[in-house]
Amino acid sequence: NAGVTQTPKFRVLKTGQSMTLLCAQDMNHEYMYWYRQDPGMGLRLIHYSVGEGTTAKGEVPDGYNVSRLKKQNFLLGLESAAPSQTSVYFCASSYSISGGVSNEQFFGPGTRLTVL
Amino acid sequence: GDSVTQMEGPVTLSEEAFLTINCTYTATGYPSLFWYVQYPGEGLQLLLKATKADDKGSNKGFEATYRKETTSFHLEKGSVQVSDSAVYFCALSARMDMGRRALTFGSGTRLQVQP
Repeated sequence: NAGVTQTPKFRVLKTGQSMTLLCAQDMNHEYMYWYRQDPGMGLRLIHYSVGEGTTAKGEVPDGYNVSRLKKQNFLLGLESAAPSQTSVYFCASSYSISGGVSNEQFFGPGTRLTVL
Repeated sequence: GDSVTQMEGPVTLSEEAFLTINCTYTATGYPSLFWYVQYPGEGLQLLLKATKADDKGSNKGFEATYRKETTSFHLEKGSVQVSDSAVYFCALSARMDMGRRALTFGSGTRLQVQP
């Protein structure tokens, strides 16, 4: 099992450019998440998905869009990149949440994005 | 809203020293609590978790006890190794919309262990 994979690993964009980050998991997990990690701020949830075809906003969704057309894939899009979106982006997945108890999230290796 | 506060780093220790990283939380209801570890250049990995009050999570010599009365989940290890050098994140399962839960993370504590 590859677990959670992310592409690309690194990317440099100019302000106003667009791009899509791809996340794939082979564990048949229902839930998938996109986080951004900034120095001194830990991880903040951007968007998440509770199943194929469904997405929801997290803590910091502005400037990002997501899609979950297939259960194993979760795409994060930046339509018009801004320097404030320079960050490390992590994708994660987990089994469905039941009884109010969160199950373990499995993380990808991250994508380092720089917006000039 | 729900939140996690952890001690700021970096924490620098000599090999075989005792480690404590403090974590306190604010939450409604009864969240599950987690410690994740991030080694250089990698994603986060679950280190241990506790799902109810007085539970003790343990893994790889690390321990943390869910203390409801003090709203704390401090991470401890009796004897650290150089290979434990990493960033440690405390997290809780925060309530989202429609009763769903997602993880809320602390800001992370960098541990540096010197030989």
